[in-house]
Amino acid sequence: DAKTTQPPSMDCAEGRAANLPCNHSTISGNEYVYWYRQIHSQGPQYIIHGLKNNETNEMASLIITEDRKSSTLILPHATLRDTAVYYCIVRPPGGANNLFFGTGTRLTVIP
Amino acid sequence: SQTIHQWPATLVQPVGSPLSLECTVEGTSNPNLYWYRQAAGRGLQLLFYSVGIGQISSEVPQNLSASRPQDRQFILSSKKLLLSDSGFYLCAWSVSNSPLHFGNGTRLTVT
Repeated sequence: DAKTTQPPSMDCAEGRAANLPCNHSTISGNEYVYWYRQIHSQGPQYIIHGLKNNETNEMASLIITEDRKSSTLILPHATLRDTAVYYCIVRPPGGANNLFFGTGTRLTVIP
Repeated sequence: SQTIHQWPATLVQPVGSPLSLECTVEGTSNPNLYWYRQAAGRGLQLLFYSVGIGQISSEVPQNLSASRPQDRQFILSSKKLLLSDSGFYLCAWSVSNSPLHFGNGTRLTVT
């Protein structure tokens, strides 16, 4: 499975957009990009996923580059409750498979 | 709607004692089930996954075992705990191409 590279930490002012980058240069053509976040002492929470088109839901937007080698998770108006570790993962379709969760990006939203 | 239950939330066990962590899923049939472990400050490591009753795949050699006695029940066990077994244990489920959904985890401290 392809692995991902994320910055270890980022800060964002409350109310501003948080843009979290992820590199996945070895992604295969059928692998999806998934984003999760983990608030301290809780299980990871699913945020969004996509294959090659940009995606948006009530939580965030996902922008995937045309060559699919990188993506950006956008939280449009960050709140203090968005402070968490954000994980970018690539996953082949179907079945049970090993999602490689690296150490992610620790996002701190500053008042 | 689907829900996942993990218990206990916290556990302190002496070295050499047995372990049994239980995870159950409601609201879905024939889910893929997973056990992950997260050491302090580290990413998530997949320990076991199961695609059906009695079918267990192990990702890493270790002091732990898993069983799936019923469709929506996944159990993580050890006969004799080691200090290195301390960590945050997470159960998760998925069906087909759906995202993984995690429980709230069990924090195990082996003393």
